[in-house]
Amino acid sequence: GAVVSQHPSWVICKSGTSVKIECRSLDFQATTMFWYRQFPKQSLMLMATSNEGSKATYEQGVEKDKFLINHASLTLSTLTVTSAHPEDSSFYICSARDSFNEKLFFGSGTQLSVL
Amino acid sequence: AQSVAQPEDQVNVAEGNPLTVKCTYSVSGNPYLFWYVQYPNRGLQFLLKYITGDNLVKGSYGFEAEFNKSQTSFHLKKPSALVSDSALYFCAVRDQAGTALIFGKGTTLSVSS
Repeated sequence: GAVVSQHPSWVICKSGTSVKIECRSLDFQATTMFWYRQFPKQSLMLMATSNEGSKATYEQGVEKDKFLINHASLTLSTLTVTSAHPEDSSFYICSARDSFNEKLFFGSGTQLSVL
Repeated sequence: AQSVAQPEDQVNVAEGNPLTVKCTYSVSGNPYLFWYVQYPNRGLQFLLKYITGDNLVKGSYGFEAEFNKSQTSFHLKKPSALVSDSALYFCAVRDQAGTALIFGKGTTLSVSS
């Protein structure tokens, strides 16, 4: 079946540094990917919609300069948390939409801890 | 706007008993409905979906869900719970193909032996 690879699975960083999370569709093309954020024991909140070759669309309340999204190819989207702070600590999950059949597939998530 | 409600934060059942995890939804058009399961510190695993067709949908690990249009519900069910079913369950909806999923807040299922 279709696989979405999300890397890294967990990362610890110092406050003020930037962290990049990658989301790759391994066996299908994904013109659209979605980034979610999940706080402990809470739901997944849609952060942004990433479209290949164009700017991402951010949900209300999500700082686009804080969470930089790049979708430079049909199989890769990246989320960069810039100048990370402890409140950015969270579980981030990506979802890729298969361009051929519109199905959605999820990555395994990235646990970010900012010290 | 789309929305999903999971009214129960937690559901407790004994192993071998049937389980139900409730979900109601609101969409402007025809709903695409999904159930996912999440184990601690893991991503989401797809259980089942309803797009069209039979109201009773069968999915992975013996789970099934019943789409009820009049009640706008899509409850997850399993005839006989296992301890290994203990996890966090999310109901999700989208109103058309290609849009992002909107998730409910999740329901923690705890199955005791």
